[in-house]
Amino acid sequence: GENVGLHLPTLSVQEGDNSIINCAYSNSASDYFIWYKQESGKGPQFIIDIRSNMDKRQGQRVTVLLNKTVKHLSLQIAATQPGDSAVYFCAEDLYNQGGKLIFGQGTELSVKP
Amino acid sequence: GAVVSQHPSRVICKSGTSVKIECRSLDFQATTMFWYRQFPKQSLMLMATSNEGSKATYEQGVEKDKFLINHASLTLSTLTVTSAHPEDSSFYICSARSPAGGNTEAFFGQGTRLTVV
Repeated sequence: GENVGLHLPTLSVQEGDNSIINCAYSNSASDYFIWYKQESGKGPQFIIDIRSNMDKRQGQRVTVLLNKTVKHLSLQIAATQPGDSAVYFCAEDLYNQGGKLIFGQGTELSVKP
Repeated sequence: GAVVSQHPSRVICKSGTSVKIECRSLDFQATTMFWYRQFPKQSLMLMATSNEGSKATYEQGVEKDKFLINHASLTLSTLTVTSAHPEDSSFYICSARSPAGGNTEAFFGQGTRLTVV
């Protein structure tokens, strides 16, 4: 469901370390999820997606894990860089219900050089 | 990838006035666009779904008479914040899917920072 009114949790990591960002969703019928990166003052940017028939998907330096049993997603960023500093959101993509996106709470990632 | 452009990127207006924000799909036609609002340090909240040639569909709790949406063409949707008040100050973001509907990527505008003084 929506996460209005909740303030962003923060994650601080050292450059070069791996980052893990977590997200919970509420609708067990959701079958398509997307991770977005949002830099300050900009719109969200697509990172990686995953369908419910998968439990893991890998991209360049990023991996998304999906646990449908507990309705949980995670985004793993390998060898985190200063340019990865941003806010990360997971979203339920309701593509078959008009195409709207329901965003999770978000996590602010801060990378220390 | 497809491009969605918003204008203006920043606007300051006086309390009680109206502000119009434009969202354009530059290289594709979008029969459906979406408007989100984001308060500082918070997530994006869907306000409404903008449908070309028909009325917008508003999410629960969003005042349709305050946030007027017009989707007059396949490449342009506008959001007008009427009688703006300081509590309307927020970051407004639009998105569109290419091609319209279906399981396709959503592209976002760069957002509009509205400050009501």
